[in-house]
Amino acid sequence: DTGVSQDPRHKITKRGQNVTFRCDPISEHNRLYWYRQTLGQGPEFLTYFQNEAQLEKSRLLSDRFSAERPKGSFSTLEIQRTEQGDSAMYLCASSHNMPRGTQYFGPGTRLLVL
Amino acid sequence: RKEVEQDPGPFNVPEGATVAFNCTYSNSASQSFFWYRQDCRKEPKLLMSVYSSGNEDGRFTAQLNRASQYISLLIRDSKLSDSATYLCVVNPRRSGNTPLVFGKGTRLSVIA
Repeated sequence: DTGVSQDPRHKITKRGQNVTFRCDPISEHNRLYWYRQTLGQGPEFLTYFQNEAQLEKSRLLSDRFSAERPKGSFSTLEIQRTEQGDSAMYLCASSHNMPRGTQYFGPGTRLLVL
Repeated sequence: RKEVEQDPGPFNVPEGATVAFNCTYSNSASQSFFWYRQDCRKEPKLLMSVYSSGNEDGRFTAQLNRASQYISLLIRDSKLSDSATYLCVVNPRRSGNTPLVFGKGTRLSVIA
């Protein structure tokens, strides 16, 4: 399977714990995006990378969130001191760096904070 | 005003019906437009891009009206397998290939 993969697919944690999610993009894609989706809403942008450079972070990305893409391949998204409001589906997408490049989404990591 | 607005539905239609979804966007500088489909508890998948001239892919037709900042999706001869949430998606930046802005989605249920 050469699509975008994410790990884990599900995560249940207690409030205050740290969690880390991983995304492996399609291999030739140099842009990687993180989005968050809550029930009844469309995905909302969090941050994105071109190769290893983090180009932009949205205002949704509080200081408890950090994302990296150290070698320009896979990316990690860490949430520190989780809160119940962090419960959501975290989606990763990747694309070529070209105009109108289609973004392909991974299956997501579903986070539940108790 | 939200950047992308859609009627959340649900739209409940019988098999074989024609159904149309509409969407408006607020940023007149937006350059790229898409419809994504999302099945329950799955990731969004690109259904089709939307071009100014309108475009068709089988039973699906997408239209863009830049003057009214309005996008539509028409599904003809609905199938049970078309049941899903349809997300109207805009790339609001001239450079393209940048973060997408999604509507909340319109839920469609096709009934036998």
